[in-house]
Amino acid sequence: DGGITQSPKYLFRKEGQNVTLSCEQNLNHDAMYWYRQDPGQGLRLIYYSQIVNDFQKGDIAEGYSVSREKKESFPLTVTSAQKNPTAFYLCASSIEWEHQPQHFGDGTRLSIL
Amino acid sequence: SQQGEEDPQALSIQEGENATMNCSYKTSINNLQWYRQNSGRGLVHLILIRSNEREKHSGRLRVTLDTSKKSSSLLITASRAADTASYFCATVYSGNTPLVFGKGTRLSVIA
Repeated sequence: DGGITQSPKYLFRKEGQNVTLSCEQNLNHDAMYWYRQDPGQGLRLIYYSQIVNDFQKGDIAEGYSVSREKKESFPLTVTSAQKNPTAFYLCASSIEWEHQPQHFGDGTRLSIL
Repeated sequence: SQQGEEDPQALSIQEGENATMNCSYKTSINNLQWYRQNSGRGLVHLILIRSNEREKHSGRLRVTLDTSKKSSSLLITASRAADTASYFCATVYSGNTPLVFGKGTRLSVIA
């Protein structure tokens, strides 16, 4: 079955540590996205990629970094510069950039040790 | 912020009743989308309505769009316990901008 796989499901970060969240899709979608969701809140866009080898900052990119070296993969690194990383992180993809519905993975919950 | 707003924030109904959720947005849109999120899971796309459409149906879902009032509503008819989830509207504003999600409505359907 086609879909988006996020791993791990739960992740713990120590002070000063960078951690990387994995997102893989086999839907052959051009566009991919990373969102952060805090309790009782909507989704806030961290980074997005319209096409392979290209990505742009979203509303809350500070303290995060991404790469898009392959069409199917869009990993997110939460750096030590992100002082409040505890949240639910969602990865999504869409067929193309403009106006299309997004397909979501089941998220990674990141907590601080 | 161009974030849309859902209303109410939370809604509790009995199984079999209809549930209505509203979404307001701020500027001209290309389309508006509704998503569902079960607890601890990713979002699932439900329906997309374009700016030149006024109503769309999908099974027990009915979505309306009023561009003059900059608002949309999602109606779930004959609700079931399995409809318990958070529902989000998301807007695609005119121009090359990313999807913007609202904060959602938490729906509880009591059996």
